[in-house]
Amino acid sequence: NAGVTQTPKFQVLKTGQSMTLQCAQDMNHNSMYWYRQDPGMGLRLIYYSASEGTTDKGEVPNGYNVSRLNKREFSLRLESAAPSQTSVYFCASWAPPLDRGGGWTGELFFGEGSRLTVL
Amino acid sequence: AQRVTQPEKLLSVFKGAPVELKCNYSYSGSPELFWYVQYSRQRLQLLLRHISRESIKGFTADLNKGETSFHLKKPFAQEEDSAMYYCALSGRLGGLTGGGNKLTFGTGTQLKVEL
Repeated sequence: NAGVTQTPKFQVLKTGQSMTLQCAQDMNHNSMYWYRQDPGMGLRLIYYSASEGTTDKGEVPNGYNVSRLNKREFSLRLESAAPSQTSVYFCASWAPPLDRGGGWTGELFFGEGSRLTVL
Repeated sequence: AQRVTQPEKLLSVFKGAPVELKCNYSYSGSPELFWYVQYSRQRLQLLLRHISRESIKGFTADLNKGETSFHLKKPFAQEEDSAMYYCALSGRLGGLTGGGNKLTFGTGTQLKVEL
């Protein structure tokens, strides 16, 4: 059971280059997310997809685009990389609560992260 | 707007000492609070959620709505507790429809347990 899988794990880019981070989950979750993790900034939401066919901006969407290819896959694209996008990127999917009347809101499952360096 | 504040970037304690990782939040509605943990070279994972009132690995956290806090506590720190801890807040989005929640994370606190 792989859970949430991200590729690549490491990538070095030059300023202006483009790349796509791939994410797939095998848990049949509706919602998927992309976060970036920076020292002293914690995790900040870039984009999310509440369900297949929908995407929405998060806290820091500038410079990124996303595609929810199908229920399993949610990719993050950097069209023209900048040094400010050097970060660790995490994909996550959301497991809804088992008890809809109970009140707890489920759990986010994270990928292992992708470390991106832009020179 | 929802906000989570973790005032300490680094907390260093000795093994066997009590631990308290602070978390304060700002949210106008009814919040759901969580603690996530990231051990070295591992992925982020859920540690505990306030609504379950559970103790995981000896950690507990009580939601104090009056003080808007959700501090994480453990009476006796262990070396294996060394990790990055994130407090997170999820606001209800019109009920539990399965459409997902947006989690807002704090900046994290690095816990270092020394021998």
